[in-house]
Amino acid sequence: DVVMTQTPVSLSVAIGQPASISCKSSQSLVGTSGKTYLNWLLQRPGQSPKRLIYLVSKLDSGIPDRFSGSGSETDFTLKISRVEADDLGVYYCLQGTHFPLTFGSGTKLEIK
Amino acid sequence: EVQLVESGGGLVQPGRSLKLSCVASGFTFSNYGMNWIRQAPGKGLEWVAYISSGSSYIYYAETVKGRFTISRDNAKNTLYLQMTSLRSEDTALYYCARFSFAYWGQGTLVTVSS
Repeated sequence: DVVMTQTPVSLSVAIGQPASISCKSSQSLVGTSGKTYLNWLLQRPGQSPKRLIYLVSKLDSGIPDRFSGSGSETDFTLKISRVEADDLGVYYCLQGTHFPLTFGSGTKLEIK
Repeated sequence: EVQLVESGGGLVQPGRSLKLSCVASGFTFSNYGMNWIRQAPGKGLEWVAYISSGSSYIYYAETVKGRFTISRDNAKNTLYLQMTSLRSEDTALYYCARFSFAYWGQGTLVTVSS
């Protein structure tokens, strides 16, 4: 199974400051189609998860461009250029290339 | 508007069975693969199972293989998860999500306890 190692476990960031979360996979996430099925999701307190980014770097509709995704093969990063209060919650990476699908363990973003 | 509504959760004794449903609306259900994902209380997300649009391809997490069965009825726009031989470690909020995880339901809580 693909292990998704997500760091840090938690992050305390002041409003307006940047934040960065890393996700490393135990094997390449490039699929047979040539696409890399790496997603980033945010679960706000008491809510269902919400996808922010898919295929490494594509922003979902309605997601502000303060969010960006990058990376390739086994090394991926989610960046928030300027944290806002609404960004608090737990961020998960999710690989959709290899079954069984696997999530990172989550990064809790708190507002300082 | 895409909607996924799970139901069927509840309190069940260890070793018993339960069947979850997820009713989809707002899109052509028969065109999309579907997933079940669960989240134990206070824990992270765990992918459980996937079924392709026409039910030809089905995959399970090792933790549920042989005990859970994913299925769908495209005529009823409904996804199912039949859970048997339930264990305390299956206690979780169970979500359904469309193929690429762009859409999630609100979840249904399964509690396995005597």
